Amino acid sequence: DTGVSQDPRHKITKRGQNVTFRCDPISEHNRLYWYRQTLGQGPEFLTYFQNEAQLEKSRLLSDRFSAERPKGSFSTLEIQRTEQGDSAMYLCASSRGGQGASGNEQFFGPGTRLTVL
Amino acid sequence: AQKVTQAQTEISVVEKEDVTLDCVYETRDTTYYLFWYKQPPSGELVFLIRRNSFDEQNEISGRYSWNFQKSTSSFNFTITASQVVDSAVYFCALSPNTGNQFYFGTGTSLTVIP
Repeated sequence: DTGVSQDPRHKITKRGQNVTFRCDPISEHNRLYWYRQTLGQGPEFLTYFQNEAQLEKSRLLSDRFSAERPKGSFSTLEIQRTEQGDSAMYLCASSRGGQGASGNEQFFGPGTRLTVL
Repeated sequence: AQKVTQAQTEISVVEKEDVTLDCVYETRDTTYYLFWYKQPPSGELVFLIRRNSFDEQNEISGRYSWNFQKSTSSFNFTITASQVVDSAVYFCALSPNTGNQFYFGTGTSLTVIP
């Protein structure tokens, strides 16, 4: 399977705990995105990497959230001191870069569903 | 401001009926891209189509067709002869040329009743 993969698919945690999610993009894609989707809503942008550089962060990404893409391949998203409001589906997507990259389709992973009790 | 509006929250149709999903967008960019994605119950977003702002030709792909009208800032999606497998949430998204993210609408949940 050469699509975008995410791990874990489901995570249940208690309020105040830290959680980390992993995303493996399509191998030839140098752009990687994180989105958050809550019930009945469309995905909302969190952050974006081009290779290993984190080039944009949404104001939704509070200081409890941190994302890395250390070697320009897989990425991790960590949430510290989780709150019940963090419960959502966290989606990762990847796309090709280059000129006109904003027009390239993003390929999405299956998501990690986080439940904070 | 960048914004996508999908006013139809839920639609139910009987199998073989045609259905149109509406999408209205706002952007100040002169160059932008519009997308439709399908999210079946399994949850994974599936890419359906991309259209750039300079190409207003309608497109047909099998039972799917798209109507892009810059004059009304709309990019509507029609499914002809709907099937049960079309049941899903459909999202319209905007990608402005000056940005690095997609702006999604809130989605339209389509149920096709056999």
